[in-house]
Amino acid sequence: SAVISQKPSRDICQRGTSLTIQCQVDSQVTMMFWYRQQPGQSLTLIATANQGSEATYESGFVIDKFPISRPNLTFSTLTVSNMSPEDSSIYLCSVRGDRAIMNTEAFFGQGTRLTVV
Amino acid sequence: DQQVKQNSPSLSVQEGRISILNCDYTNSMFDYFLWYKKYPAEGPTFLISISSIKDKNEDGRFTVFLNKSAKHLSLHIVPSQPGDSAVYFCAAGRETSGSRLTFGEGTQLTVNP
Repeated sequence: SAVISQKPSRDICQRGTSLTIQCQVDSQVTMMFWYRQQPGQSLTLIATANQGSEATYESGFVIDKFPISRPNLTFSTLTVSNMSPEDSSIYLCSVRGDRAIMNTEAFFGQGTRLTVV
Repeated sequence: DQQVKQNSPSLSVQEGRISILNCDYTNSMFDYFLWYKKYPAEGPTFLISISSIKDKNEDGRFTVFLNKSAKHLSLHIVPSQPGDSAVYFCAAGRETSGSRLTFGEGTQLTVNP
């Protein structure tokens, strides 16, 4: 399994500001994913971050609100822009292990708990 | 449109007994199903999975059953231990979509000593 480190683990931010979340993996991985878990809800995929190309966003998520960087095969960032209280969530970085037993098996970072006030 | 649903937000069982967590899905294109366990302040960790070509997969105390005709899967934990207390997420995916997973809402399992 891959070891995934996310920073920060939690933050409290003022509305209208932006926060960048970092995700570092201990091995090179092709695909990285960003999920959001709003209070009491399931994990929802925001976007797929591929190295060397633009991120692919899911329905309901746009690049202006959630810009993503993927400068290399071990690192990615997700920025939550112009935050509002509705953005208060846990944000999770996920990777597909290249030696995953099943093609869809994914590993997760510990998450970033964001509170917007 | 919630394609993966876990209708029980919580489940409480006694230590040593069986825990059964249920999950339903609507998208017949899903061909892999996974269960993740999540402790507070930690990310989800992979527990067990099953391909749509099987109807059962067992790993130690954990067994996942898949009923494709009913679009239903369940996770059995026998015997349940207090350390199993966590939120359990059911997830589904398609092999052609890599690790893009659709998750259920989660079930909080509490195993009482």
